[in-house]
Amino acid sequence: DQQVKQNSPSLSVQEGRISILNCDYTNSMFDYFLWYKKYPAEGPTFLISISSIKDKNEDGRFTVFLNKSAKHLSLHIVPSQPGDSAVYFCAALGRGVGGFKTIFGAGTRLFVKA
Amino acid sequence: DAGVIQSPRHEVTEMGQEVTLRCKPISGHNSLFWYRQTMMRGLELLIYFNNNVPIDDSGMPEDRFSAKMPNASFSTLKIQPSEPRDSAVYFCASSLSFQEAFFGQGTRLTVV
Repeated sequence: DQQVKQNSPSLSVQEGRISILNCDYTNSMFDYFLWYKKYPAEGPTFLISISSIKDKNEDGRFTVFLNKSAKHLSLHIVPSQPGDSAVYFCAALGRGVGGFKTIFGAGTRLFVKA
Repeated sequence: DAGVIQSPRHEVTEMGQEVTLRCKPISGHNSLFWYRQTMMRGLELLIYFNNNVPIDDSGMPEDRFSAKMPNASFSTLKIQPSEPRDSAVYFCASSLSFQEAFFGQGTRLTVV
């Protein structure tokens, strides 16, 4: 049972345009949602997060939107750059027994064409 | 801090052999996670520790998998015996309580 779902395995966007990556979750008890970026042969790195009590968080070219009623979040990258080409993982952080744990989606591979 | 350090970076072993993956978390972090990356399921959480204590190992696929954290600066993930379907990239990550996790560079395991 996947609690965090990224239904698009890949996305291709032209440089300068907006990239929109989507994520759905099933557990309404998650406290934070995060996006990680992963380049080949490297570990994922944290990109941006949003608290469950907010609906938008912006950091430079990156904005995350949260729709709690739909259990949906999205990452917007604008303008997209070739260096943004990577795998993006959506993640949810919540309380587990005795601590906190992060659950990840399957990832979406973004291609930004020059 | 050098970040989360995993070893080895690559491991090729024969089916049936024991494999041990190692992780050194970031100093001061109190949570440690082992993930496995696969094409179909992305990053699967295998097990996590809080203050060196295993909290949730429900993601460990079979009894062939075991993990230990003997102290705050070291953890191992062991597969015995290994099988070809265990081939994947295994990541270790650490975090400080309710904050984002920092990942190591991963160990690419190939079981032939």
